[in-house]
Amino acid sequence: QVALKESGPALVNPTQTLTLTCQCSGFSLRATAMRVSWIRQPPGKALEWLAHIDWDDDKLYSNVLKNRLTISRDSSKNQVVLAMTNVDPGDTATYYCARTYYYGSGTFDAWGQGTRVTVSS
Amino acid sequence: IVLTQSPATLSLSPGEEATLSCGASQSVTNDYLAWYQHQPGLAPRLLIYDASNRATGIPDRFSGGGSGTDFTLTIRRLEPEDFAIYYCQQYGTSPETFGQGTKVEIK
Repeated sequence: QVALKESGPALVNPTQTLTLTCQCSGFSLRATAMRVSWIRQPPGKALEWLAHIDWDDDKLYSNVLKNRLTISRDSSKNQVVLAMTNVDPGDTATYYCARTYYYGSGTFDAWGQGTRVTVSS
Repeated sequence: IVLTQSPATLSLSPGEEATLSCGASQSVTNDYLAWYQHQPGLAPRLLIYDASNRATGIPDRFSGGGSGTDFTLTIRRLEPEDFAIYYCQQYGTSPETFGQGTKVEIK
């Protein structure tokens, strides 16, 4: 059964680096046509795609945030990690990871429950 | 691509039919438009992809339609578990974008 689970700090101070982990199960990050994305939703606002990493380690970032984001994976643990530098209160949101399988729907066919992050001093 | 969903809230009774709209600021490439259901605290669930294809395990009371810039999600005979927030998303043009959501609430 495909499952994703996000983890990370609930509270982060402004200017710090936020590091989030997505534990994936039921599929391999190295399998052809697999992609894992990070998406966030600030309170009362729309979902926003942030970054993705593909089975071949290809990566893409949101143009708005690309200078602050780094996505990586640990294939041995089947985990995807997102680091966001220099956070501010505008980064307060629920952060989700989601899987795309290109030989299936071609879009986010499985999501985690999300992890809520508050940026505040 | 900016996606605009309407209405923001839909108040209906179980058994009724819900029609949700999603308008795109420009044509969605290959009609790569998806619909998701989101219950607070749970993972969003893919309902429809490629505008009209039901995802695995989705009941046939959910149907998607439309093309180009105008899309709809129809939910026939609302069940209690269908009361949730619904989002459309386009994945034909990078970056993938989402609508603001439509809340389907119990009347």
